[in-house]
Amino acid sequence: GIQVEQSPPDLILQEGANSTLRCNFSDSVNNLQWFHQNPWGQLINLFYIPSGTKQNGRLSATTVATERYSLLYISSSQTTDSGVYFCAGATGANNLFFGTGTRLTVIP
Amino acid sequence: GAGVSQSPSNKVTEKGKDVELRCDPISGHTALYWYRQSLGQGLEFLIYFQGNSAPDKSGLPSDRFSAERTGGSVSTLTIQRTQQEDSAVYLCASRLPTSGGSNEQFFGPGTRLTVL
Repeated sequence: GIQVEQSPPDLILQEGANSTLRCNFSDSVNNLQWFHQNPWGQLINLFYIPSGTKQNGRLSATTVATERYSLLYISSSQTTDSGVYFCAGATGANNLFFGTGTRLTVIP
Repeated sequence: GAGVSQSPSNKVTEKGKDVELRCDPISGHTALYWYRQSLGQGLEFLIYFQGNSAPDKSGLPSDRFSAERTGGSVSTLTIQRTQQEDSAVYLCASRLPTSGGSNEQFFGPGTRLTVL
């Protein structure tokens, strides 16, 4: 299967700071998703981004498919951004392979 | 519209008992996936249903695990003779047909299974 490496594993930020999370893939993927897992365990879809750049409010993501990595940017972080962020990739319609996540803690 | 729903939200069982977990996908989503999230293994794929095709069972950890999808909609994951290592959160996801142009998967809230 596809190996997914996420960094950093843990991140502590002061409220208002910016951050970048990274995801590397061992193989080419054409389905790439970023999720935020809330305190109740639900995976919330942030981005479906097999290539290119997307923005949604304070969040944006960029995937460079040819180099097999993706970045998630969080700007002006808020305490509600705390939680675990996962990236996952797949080839086509097949199952997703997940990274081990980045645990983000935003301190007021 | 409604998202993916799963039931029960929590299940506590005794070692050796059988359990059934249910998933209702988003209406119109022809593909359905089961994953599980455990402390030691992270998020891992279990089984994938696509329309009327034979399911991809390559992620099932043992023959105690099985799943069905009736009428192309609701799916049931069954674990027989549960073991303590089966304790995990079982997540279901669904997706539009690939002809819809996107392979984005949407997840339910999960069932937390605890085997005593």
